Amino acid sequence: AQSVTQLDSQVPVFEEAPVELRCNYSSSVSVYLFWYVQYPNQGLQLLLKYLSGSTLVKGINGFEAEFNKSQTSFHLRKPSVHISDTAEYFCAVTLRGSGDKLTFGTGTRLAVRP
Amino acid sequence: SQTIHQWPATLVQPVGSPLSLECTVEGTSNPNLYWYRQAAGRGLQLLFYSVGIGQISSEVPQNLSASRPQDRQFILSSKKLLLSDSGFYLCAWSYGLAGERDTQYFGPGTRLTVL
Repeated sequence: AQSVTQLDSQVPVFEEAPVELRCNYSSSVSVYLFWYVQYPNQGLQLLLKYLSGSTLVKGINGFEAEFNKSQTSFHLRKPSVHISDTAEYFCAVTLRGSGDKLTFGTGTRLAVRP
Repeated sequence: SQTIHQWPATLVQPVGSPLSLECTVEGTSNPNLYWYRQAAGRGLQLLFYSVGIGQISSEVPQNLSASRPQDRQFILSSKKLLLSDSGFYLCAWSYGLAGERDTQYFGPGTRLTVL
């Protein structure tokens, strides 16, 4: 079975600073990887996904993530954050071909300060 | 384009009362459908998923049940709510076709408080 670890429960950062939200996964087979964002009292919005191809994936709102198979990581980055990026970020994994079971990390709360 | 609706948006119910949450998807056919629960300060837990009308798979034994009476309608129910049922309930869908089926798209959620 696959699992996802988001080591940082909270990440405080100043506006316009860079940020990296860490995600590590464990799986014995090939996976698809996702990052979702959740604003307060809202559903989850897909930020980006890695299915295959280039390991550097660009998403919405200026975010990007890099798939590193040897380190089993899929860290999310943004070079300059805005106040509006304050939200909860979830990393998720599913086994290739399964489609039925997304396994989520416990989330990282990004708090952007002015 | 595809859209997903959930209602109600918020709900406050007494312990022991019944529950019915509804999720509908527009703009696609034969989607896979999912119910998740997000408890306060925790990640998302998959409760049920469905690959077709009347086909329900349960991930976690509990006092909740799900039904899919129509292709794009997914209902979460309970006969008697418990305090521990409080949380944020999210419905999601994915394409029922190979290739895109692994990406799930989420609805706005229902905030349930059991008192």
